[in-house]
Amino acid sequence: GQNIDQPTEMTATEGAIVQINCTYQTSGFNGLFWYQQHAGEAPTFLSYNVLDGLEEKGRFSSFLSRSKGYSYLLLKELQMKDSASYLCAVFTGGGNKLTFGTGTQLKVEL
Amino acid sequence: DTGVSQNPRHKITKRGQNVTFRCDPISEHNRLYWYRQTLGQGPEFLTYFQNEAQLEKSRLLSDRFSAERPKGSFSTLEIQRTEQGDSAMYLCASSPQLGETQYFGPGTRLLVL
Repeated sequence: GQNIDQPTEMTATEGAIVQINCTYQTSGFNGLFWYQQHAGEAPTFLSYNVLDGLEEKGRFSSFLSRSKGYSYLLLKELQMKDSASYLCAVFTGGGNKLTFGTGTQLKVEL
Repeated sequence: DTGVSQNPRHKITKRGQNVTFRCDPISEHNRLYWYRQTLGQGPEFLTYFQNEAQLEKSRLLSDRFSAERPKGSFSTLEIQRTEQGDSAMYLCASSPQLGETQYFGPGTRLLVL
């Protein structure tokens, strides 16, 4: 079966750095995605990791360790608009579908 | 706007009624996916199409659900005899090819009374 775990909620301060962890156990792995979802809106793509290591994209970075079944999303210089749910999703089924975690609700405070 | 579009954005219906949702993927994206999301949960896979062929259906997709993509462009998702448990956000996504990033539409929020 598929199991993806991430913390339910996190709180951080504007301007700070926050790391959101994701662990997964899946039958078949073809890559890991991070999406951002504001309340009532569609998920928007943030990053994609298929090989081990760190992918950096502006204020956002994502790390993957396939041997440990572990990923994290790093958000730097937090802004109020970063308050959202962050979804970890694994490509399974030969890359045919995404299996999502429940999402981490991030609240950025002043 | 060249993103994924979905209509309607909101739908309120009474239990037992049929509803149909439409998704228009990004132009030239061969793959189209349907997901369902309930409050506090991540999206759950329902089904996907490669062009007009429906290649996989989740166990979540009961006999009351049917999806089509007749010309390999837009897709429809129909729910017959709706139940209160069908209340959710129905998300559509598309990708160019197998294993590529999926881009989501704004979703259709369904409320069954």
